[in-house]
Amino acid sequence: DQQVKQNSPSLSVQEGRISILNCDYTNSMFDYFLWYKKYPAEGPTFLISISSIKDKNEDGRFTVFLNKSAKHLSLHIVPSQPGDSAVYFCAASGVTNTGNQFYFGTGTSLTVIP
Amino acid sequence: DAGVIQSPRHEVTEMGQEVTLRCKPISGHNSLFWYRQTMMRGLELLIYFNNNVPIDDSGMPEDRFSAKMPNASFSTLKIQPSEPRDSAVYFCASSLGGRRYEQYFGPGTRLTVT
Repeated sequence: DQQVKQNSPSLSVQEGRISILNCDYTNSMFDYFLWYKKYPAEGPTFLISISSIKDKNEDGRFTVFLNKSAKHLSLHIVPSQPGDSAVYFCAASGVTNTGNQFYFGTGTSLTVIP
Repeated sequence: DAGVIQSPRHEVTEMGQEVTLRCKPISGHNSLFWYRQTMMRGLELLIYFNNNVPIDDSGMPEDRFSAKMPNASFSTLKIQPSEPRDSAVYFCASSLGGRRYEQYFGPGTRLTVT
């Protein structure tokens, strides 16, 4: 059972516009969320994170929003640049009944069109 | 620092053979993670170590998989015997410890079992 879901496998956006990547999770015990970016033939790299005590965290062009009641988070990239084209993974962590757990989503492939 | 180092980068083997994947974490990091990436399930956490001790191996798919961390600078993931369904990209990651620290990923090992 997928505990972290990224329902859009791909997304295309024009350069300069906003990219919005979505992520849903199922376990209310998750309390820390991260986004990673992955280029082909490389490992994922950390992008931005948010704790469940916040509903927004911003870092430059990247903002993550957390809606705990909906168990939903999103990553906004404004403005989008061609170099942002990559696969973006959402991750969630928390202390569950089986201990510390980390779950990643299946990823969303973002293409920014020049 | 060179980052997380994984070897080999590519491995092609026949069904039934033993496969050993290797990882050198970033010096000073005390948590190490093994992940498997597939199209269907995204990034799955297989096992993670804290201070060289396995903390959670509930993600290890079956007894054919085993992982060791004999010291702070080296870990192995072994598959014996390998099967075609094990074909995937395997990532190793390390962090300073704790689930709120970002993980640094290696470049991955692409395993193909024929």
